[in-house]
Amino acid sequence: AQSVTQLDSHVSVSEGTPVLLRCNYSSSYSPSLFWYVQHPNKGLQLLLKYTSAATLVKGINGFEAEFKKSETSFHLTKPSAHMSDAAEYFCVVSDSTNKLVFGAGTILRVKS
Amino acid sequence: EPEVTQTPSHQVTQMGQEVILRCVPISNHLYFYWYRQILGQKVEFLVSFYNNEISEKSEIFDDQFSVERPDGSNFTLKIRSTKLEDSAMYFCASRLSIYSGETQYFGPGTRLLVL
Repeated sequence: AQSVTQLDSHVSVSEGTPVLLRCNYSSSYSPSLFWYVQHPNKGLQLLLKYTSAATLVKGINGFEAEFKKSETSFHLTKPSAHMSDAAEYFCVVSDSTNKLVFGAGTILRVKS
Repeated sequence: EPEVTQTPSHQVTQMGQEVILRCVPISNHLYFYWYRQILGQKVEFLVSFYNNEISEKSEIFDDQFSVERPDGSNFTLKIRSTKLEDSAMYFCASRLSIYSGETQYFGPGTRLLVL
């Protein structure tokens, strides 16, 4: 069965510094992987997705993620954090029946 | 940009009461989903729906739950007799095709509180 592990439940960065949110996945086949973001009292918004094309995926708001099969990782990065990036981020894998399997989430705090 | 909408945004109900959560998926989408997130826990799959029938359901989706697409635009989740443990945020999602990389678009959620 497919699963994802988000390695940090909370990450705190200063505004203007890089962001790294870590995700490892487990899949018996070539997976589709997603990062979703949830701002307080808002729904889940797609940041980016990997679907077996380019391994470096660019998303909205300056985020990107790199699919590394050898490490079974799909870490999310951003060169420079902004206050508006404070939210909860979910790493998600699509399973064989196309339902989504979510990680536990990482809460990103951005300090001014 | 088209979006998934959900009503109500919040619902408070008494244990044992029936609730209906409503969703309007994106208009040309064909596949519909309900997920839920109990406070402090992971978002978890409940049910998927295609061509007017359930495609897949999780262990959580027991006989107390049902889904319906009554009029070609709405997609509803009914909980027949609510329990305290049904308190959660319920998300509706839709997608255009069954292609594995197809994005699921989520609504803003309905926060259900069972007292």
